[in-house]
Amino acid sequence: GDSVTQMEGPVTLSEEAFLTINCTYTATGYPSLFWYVQYPGEGLQLLLKATKADDKGSNKGFEATYRKETTSFHLEKGSVQVSDSAVYFCALSRGAQKLVFGQGTRLTINP
Amino acid sequence: DAGVIQSPRHEVTEMGQEVTLRCKPISGHDYLFWYRQTMMRGLELLIYFNNNVPIDDSGMPEDRFSAKMPNASFSTLKIQPSEPRDSAVYFCASSPYWDRGRDTQYFGPGTRLTVL
Repeated sequence: GDSVTQMEGPVTLSEEAFLTINCTYTATGYPSLFWYVQYPGEGLQLLLKATKADDKGSNKGFEATYRKETTSFHLEKGSVQVSDSAVYFCALSRGAQKLVFGQGTRLTINP
Repeated sequence: DAGVIQSPRHEVTEMGQEVTLRCKPISGHDYLFWYRQTMMRGLELLIYFNNNVPIDDSGMPEDRFSAKMPNASFSTLKIQPSEPRDSAVYFCASSPYWDRGRDTQYFGPGTRLTVL
């Protein structure tokens, strides 16, 4: 079945560091790919998405590129801030509105 | 728009009691989802509805769990009887429709359930 694998957390970085959170997926066909973010005490929010190979999703300085050849959708940001501290979830959808989530990666940014 | 509304935000109950979680989706959204989040199992889809009709309940853990959507603006998730292993954060999410590139789900703030 469909699955999403994220890099193990937690991840701790200093402010202004470069961020990469790895995400790979297993699915048949051409899924849509998503990154959701969950801030403490809140629900998940869509951060960015991509719907076909080589698409790049971007938002709030975060980027991720849909790589079909490597079945990956790694999240990157050039300079993180303390306010980026949250849990990040990679997810896929093959339609019918069902999202399959990775296990989440907790990110902590120290000032 | 107020977003997806869930109530209560926190629920503490004793084993064996009935628990009802409530959700009001975003107006105009056709899809409604119930998820459960635990440290051990992560985020799990329990059930989802399309136009108030349950489409897939394969994630509902057992018969103690039931979900209803009597109209487009309200849904409930009920656990009867509750057990300590049901302790988790339960999220409701809604989505306007399915079309490639538009299948974004909007999550509520969640209900933290503790069963003693």
